[in-house]
Amino acid sequence: SYDLTQPPSVSVSPGQTARITCSGEKLGEKYVCWYQQKAGQSPLLIMYQDFQRPSGIPERFSGSNSGTTATLTISGSQPVDEADYYCQVWDRNTATFGGGTKLTVL
Amino acid sequence: EIQLLESGGGLVQPGGSLRLSCEASGFSFINYAMTWVRQAPGKGLEWVSSTSGNGIITYYGDSVKGRFTFSRDNSNNTLYLQMNSLRAEDTAVYYCVKGSAIATTSTSAFEIWGRGAMVTVSS
Repeated sequence: SYDLTQPPSVSVSPGQTARITCSGEKLGEKYVCWYQQKAGQSPLLIMYQDFQRPSGIPERFSGSNSGTTATLTISGSQPVDEADYYCQVWDRNTATFGGGTKLTVL
Repeated sequence: EIQLLESGGGLVQPGGSLRLSCEASGFSFINYAMTWVRQAPGKGLEWVSSTSGNGIITYYGDSVKGRFTFSRDNSNNTLYLQMNSLRAEDTAVYYCVKGSAIATTSTSAFEIWGRGAMVTVSS
């Protein structure tokens, strides 16, 4: 099975840049999606195909993927961005999620 | 507006069975792959199963293979997840998810998520 590794937590001050990483073997050869899940809510797709933002997702969210690491960057983090973030890829007809990263904005 | 409404969750004893349903609306159902993703209490997301738009191609996660069956009724825009031989570790919120294309490929994303149905396996 394919494994994705995320840091359990990331903290950032309001207005600062938050970077959440996702690591996996030859990850740069796969397409990475990112999901945001706020407390008590269903997950929301915020990034697909490494750096594509769905309609309605703020421009402060950006993504990159190279080598063994994908990165979700939140420029000018806001308190409303506080949530759990999950990366996800497909590998041989199996979808895999990272363990999730809790982003704290304070 | 796209809506996904799960139902059928509840409490079941270990070894028992349960069937979840998901009613979809607001999009051309047959043209999209659909997926079940679950989340155990306080834990992360776990992919369960995905099926293509016509329901012919279905993939399962290792933890549910042989016990769960994913089907879809495209005439009624409804998905079903038949869960047999349930275990305590199957306890989770089960989300019905709309894919981004008719089949699951390396570029597929989980576009729209339902609110989820809670399944509790306990004696």
